Amino acid sequence: GNSVTQMEGPVTLSEEAFLTINCTYTATGYPSLFWYVQYPGEGLQLLLKATKADDKGSNKGFEATYRKETTSFHLEKGSVQVSDSAVYFCALKTSYDKVIFGPGTSLSVIP
Amino acid sequence: ETGVTQTPRHLVMGMTNKKSLKCEQHLGHNAMYWYKQSAKKPLELMFVYSLEERVENNSVPSRFSPECPNSSHLFLHLHTLQPEDSALYLCASSQRTDGGYTFGSGTRLTVV
Repeated sequence: GNSVTQMEGPVTLSEEAFLTINCTYTATGYPSLFWYVQYPGEGLQLLLKATKADDKGSNKGFEATYRKETTSFHLEKGSVQVSDSAVYFCALKTSYDKVIFGPGTSLSVIP
Repeated sequence: ETGVTQTPRHLVMGMTNKKSLKCEQHLGHNAMYWYKQSAKKPLELMFVYSLEERVENNSVPSRFSPECPNSSHLFLHLHTLQPEDSALYLCASSQRTDGGYTFGSGTRLTVV
């Protein structure tokens, strides 16, 4: 079946550190891939997406590249800020219009 | 303003109460969803409505009853809940041709 696996958290980084959150997926067909972010006390917000192999999604300094050969969609940011502290969810959408979310990775950025 | 509004933000109810959660979107989306988010568990898809018809019900207990009267509104009617039903309930909407969801801020439900 279709599934999304993310690295275990929580992740704690100092401000201006480099961030990588790993995400791998299992899916039939050619899914679209997403990263969502959930700030404390809020719902999820779409951060970026990629719809086909080798596409790069980017937003607010975050990037992720759709790697079909490794079935991965790792999230990266060159210099994190305290305001990036949140839970990050990797997700995929199959052609049946159902979005499957990973378990989430909590990120804490300390000054 | 996320475009999807959920009310109430917080709800405390007894196990014998009946209450309803409301979700409203004015984004012109044609699909709406209810998710349950519990501590240390993945997001659980509960119900999917597409063009106001329920297209998915993920084995949710009958004490949760959804209603979608039109494309802009979605309700979740609650009755005789259990303490383990305490969670954050998230509503989302999307265009079915575009996978990106817009989520509301959620209703934090506590069953006592």
